[in-house]
Amino acid sequence: DTAVSQTPKYLVTQMGNDKSIKCEQNLGHDTMYWYKQDSKKFLKIMFSYNNKELIINETVPNRFSPKSPDKAHLNLHINSLELGDSAVYFCASSDRMFGGYTFGSGTRLTVV
Amino acid sequence: AQSVAQPEDQVNVAEGNPLTVKCTYSVSGNPYLFWYVQYPNRGLQFLLKYITGDNLVKGSYGFEAEFNKSQTSFHLKKPSALVSDSALYFCAVRVTGGGNKLTFGTGTQLKVEL
Repeated sequence: DTAVSQTPKYLVTQMGNDKSIKCEQNLGHDTMYWYKQDSKKFLKIMFSYNNKELIINETVPNRFSPKSPDKAHLNLHINSLELGDSAVYFCASSDRMFGGYTFGSGTRLTVV
Repeated sequence: AQSVAQPEDQVNVAEGNPLTVKCTYSVSGNPYLFWYVQYPNRGLQFLLKYITGDNLVKGSYGFEAEFNKSQTSFHLKKPSALVSDSALYFCAVRVTGGGNKLTFGTGTQLKVEL
């Protein structure tokens, strides 16, 4: 059983399209995150949800909209995709006790 | 604000030799410190963490890290490197009350050669 699973693993799309990435965790964690890893491998937090409530919203274009239907799922919807959105997007989850994250395997988004 | 610095983009070491990957941090408050490893085309895997207690922390795959409060450092070490240790290593820090936000360093590429 995969602890944090993301779909799709690869996503190639044209500029201007709208796309979604889904994430699910079966660890019972109460907090989930989206991180972006750019071409230089820098990791930057985008959003965090705790029990379906948005608690971290970094400086991200409003074309990016997270949605958490329940505490086991955190999806990321991106409108009007741009070339600069090409990156690897990682979902992660954590619990309060551990403090560290469990990561998904990533979604490589390529905008052409 | 919290931040992490990994001063080396790449570290090269011969198999069997000890390795050190450096990390320094800046926080206001008590830090929780972590090391993660990323293999090509994979997600990040947890290696070890420091929350409190003994300054020497032991983790997965024979790695360990030493918390040094006076130098605000948390260097990753391994007594004898393996070629299979070659990967990208990230140091990360969070503080209490920060929404459990982990701030990552820029990563250090470790290359272990025969």
